[in-house]
Amino acid sequence: DQQVKQNSPSLSVQEGRISILNCDYTNSMFDYFLWYKKYPAEGPTFLISISSIKDKNEDGRFTVFLNKSAKHLSLHIVPSQPGDSAVYFCAASVGGGADGLTFGKGTHLIIQP
Amino acid sequence: KAGVTQTPRYLIKTRGQQVTLSCSPISGHRSVSWYQQTPGQGLQFLFEYFSETQRNKGNFPGRFSGRQFSNSRSEMNVSTLELGDSALYLCASSLVPQPGIGEEKLFFGSGTQLSVL
Repeated sequence: DQQVKQNSPSLSVQEGRISILNCDYTNSMFDYFLWYKKYPAEGPTFLISISSIKDKNEDGRFTVFLNKSAKHLSLHIVPSQPGDSAVYFCAASVGGGADGLTFGKGTHLIIQP
Repeated sequence: KAGVTQTPRYLIKTRGQQVTLSCSPISGHRSVSWYQQTPGQGLQFLFEYFSETQRNKGNFPGRFSGRQFSNSRSEMNVSTLELGDSALYLCASSLVPQPGIGEEKLFFGSGTQLSVL
């Protein structure tokens, strides 16, 4: 039973436009959410996170939105750049990660020139 | 500052064999976690070590084991390999155990790609 779901395996967006990656979760105990970015042949790198006490967190071109009632979060990238082409993983944890991070299966973002 | 180093980068084994993977964390990091990545299941938590003690374990069979040494380096062992163990095994390190809100994040290595034939 997948507790963190990324229902879009891939997403294609034109350079300069907004990329929106979605993530749903089922475990209401999750209180911390993270996005990781992964290039081929490299390990995931931390991108941005949000605590369950917030509904939005911004870092430059990246913004994460959290809707606790819908158990949904999204990552917005504006404007999208070619270097953003990668696999994006949504992850969640309970109580500071006591049981490790629970990851989604990832969304492959492709930025078209 | 050097990142998380995993060796070997690629490994090919046959069913029934056993394998040991190695991970050197970022200097000063004392927590090491292991994750398995497969196309079907995504990234799944295997276990976490801090100060040579296993703190947490994911939902994997006992064939998967690990240990951490006094210098924080960690090894992961898989015995009696099965075809389904073919995956990318990722090691991640952090300053503190179970990095969470406001604390040091996980830093991942590039992984060991294991193929079981």
